[in-house]
Amino acid sequence: SQQGEEDPQALSIQEGENATMNCSYKTSINNLQWYRQNSGRGLVHLILIRSNEREKHSGRLRVTLDTSKKSSSLLITASRAADTASYFCATDGEGAQKLVFGQGTRLTINP
Amino acid sequence: EAGVAQSPRYKIIEKRQSVAFWCNPISGHATLYWYQQILGQGPKLLIQFQNNGVVDDSQLPKDRFSAERLKGVDSTLKIQPAKLEDSAVYLCASSRPSNTGELFFGEGSRLTVL
Repeated sequence: SQQGEEDPQALSIQEGENATMNCSYKTSINNLQWYRQNSGRGLVHLILIRSNEREKHSGRLRVTLDTSKKSSSLLITASRAADTASYFCATDGEGAQKLVFGQGTRLTINP
Repeated sequence: EAGVAQSPRYKIIEKRQSVAFWCNPISGHATLYWYQQILGQGPKLLIQFQNNGVVDDSQLPKDRFSAERLKGVDSTLKIQPAKLEDSAVYLCASSRPSNTGELFFGEGSRLTVL
């Protein structure tokens, strides 16, 4: 079952612009994670935010979490061509150490 | 540290044939996962091991899929017989014993069933 649902499914922006992706989930969680997947590669962990946190930063990444709305957003500032990838949110709401991934947002950065 | 190793990277078989994928997790990682990722979708958990015991295999099609993790280190995922809908990337991941929650993924094994 897919716990998280990302929105939009696809996003295309110009280099230098900010990119925002959203994730909604259904059950209570301990933490929510974001992963990046370049074409033909495995997933790479970007950031983890715990259920008692509201915002977290890592470099050009900013993640917010609203547990009352069961939603999270990932903001990538000053986008670069190398940010072109699919981005997935993952939650652990269905059991300890069991991560369930959403369908992903496909981000394209145009030079 | 060395990453999660998977092989083969690519495999093409005909339906009803069998195939096996191998995964070697990061040294010391107690938890190992096999995910199936169909093109355009997110990864779906097939099976999760803690050391050499199965934690969750609720979404593993047990009539055709099997997985083992002997000695609690590397793991194999087998499909027999394969169906067309098994065409996907099979991703292996591992996580640390302390479980910060972060998964480390291999590059995946892409299966095409003709």
